[in-house]
Amino acid sequence: GAVVSQHPSRVICKSGTSVKIECRSLDFQATTMFWYRQFPKQSLMLMATSNEGSKATYEQGVEKDKFLINHASLTLSTLTVTSAHPEDSSFYICSALVRGAYYGYTFGSGTRLTVV
Amino acid sequence: AQSVSQHNHHVILSEAASLELGCNYSYGGTVNLFWYVQYPGQHLQLLLKYFSGDPLVKGIKGFEAEFIKSKFSFNLRKPSVQWSDTAEYFCAVIWHFVSNFGNEKLTFGTGTRLTIIP
Repeated sequence: GAVVSQHPSRVICKSGTSVKIECRSLDFQATTMFWYRQFPKQSLMLMATSNEGSKATYEQGVEKDKFLINHASLTLSTLTVTSAHPEDSSFYICSALVRGAYYGYTFGSGTRLTVV
Repeated sequence: AQSVSQHNHHVILSEAASLELGCNYSYGGTVNLFWYVQYPGQHLQLLLKYFSGDPLVKGIKGFEAEFIKSKFSFNLRKPSVQWSDTAEYFCAVIWHFVSNFGNEKLTFGTGTRLTIIP
């Protein structure tokens, strides 16, 4: 149980275009989701916290207008990288907070974004 | 600000050797502690977690970790490693404050790359 599905797993886009990444909770309701960015051989850096029905909370240094987060339902959060540039190339991972008896985090499989 | 430290950046061991990976966190109070593993090309998987009770926690694949509150530590151990344990290991902490209730963030350490030599 408590599975998060993230797609696409890989995406290549041209500079200046926008890319949307989806994160779905399959068998539970995720009121809170998190978006991370992972650079090669480095740890996960939290970008933002997404709460269903409200605006996302961004970490310091993360551009809100570049990384648009929408959490319109209890099972779906999306991250849109707008006007992508090569420096946005990275591995993006979503996570959902699971409450109750199995309290903890479950992670999506990640999206490898390459901007050319 | 709260932080999580993993002092071992890259550990190389031979099969059957014993493993201990260090994890320290910066601030006391009520915490939940986690160890995650990321195998090459795969997503994060939970190895074990500590919420309360017995400070010695057993996880999957023969891993265990000990919570030592006085040392702010949660070291990961395995008595005999296998080649298949080659992966990146992340320690992570949730701090519980009144101010972050409902938005508990998971803070990761920098990770330890474990390489097991057959």
